[in-house]
Amino acid sequence: GAGVSQTPSNKVTEKGKYVELRCDPISGHTALYWYRQSLGQGPEFLIYFQGTGAADDSGLPNDRFFAVRPEGSVSTLKIQRTERGDSAVYLCASSQTAGTYNEQFFGPGTRLTVL
Amino acid sequence: LAKTTQPISMDSYEGQEVNITCSHNNIATNDYITWYQQFPSQGPRFIIQGYKTKVTNEVASLFIPADRKSSTLSLPRVSLSDTAVYYCLVGVSSGGGADGLTFGKGTHLIIQP
Repeated sequence: GAGVSQTPSNKVTEKGKYVELRCDPISGHTALYWYRQSLGQGPEFLIYFQGTGAADDSGLPNDRFFAVRPEGSVSTLKIQRTERGDSAVYLCASSQTAGTYNEQFFGPGTRLTVL
Repeated sequence: LAKTTQPISMDSYEGQEVNITCSHNNIATNDYITWYQQFPSQGPRFIIQGYKTKVTNEVASLFIPADRKSSTLSLPRVSLSDTAVYYCLVGVSSGGGADGLTFGKGTHLIIQP
């Protein structure tokens, strides 16, 4: 079976532009997570969904970041008015249900570079 | 939110057993302990999870003392391909919280020939 996929694998944009990052979780997984990872750091939690709803968005750094999961499967992370500090690898993970006792399966990430 | 402390880096040699200890002094009663491995340019990969005593799977063992204030990931007979960053996570995130989703900086394990 297919794992978690993320598109694009790389995204280069200019400061002030809008970007969308897509995540396709493992089929049947109800929980989906977004993380951001900067060089030399561990993944930083952004938001997680249980089904269609955002169960916890406390990690989103500011209101320029928004994520949706309208049908409880694919999720899109949206970043408005990008800044150079947004450059990082954005990781998506899914698990059968929410809870750290459920193994998270990670995608390969999208490397975002803001010039 | 249980905080974890791990060594920043460790070195070992092929064929040796490697033990990485994680401290989590304020672990809560319903918290689980989970370890992930991450290679460069890849997402983290689940290794093992436990609640108490000892858990073993095909790649590692996890030792948790009775007070659960620390845990030790044990990798038997490491190879060069075990060079990676290892993260210890503590918590449970059911319902409305992201507790247990804090990766920290991890332990960079370097295996030499």
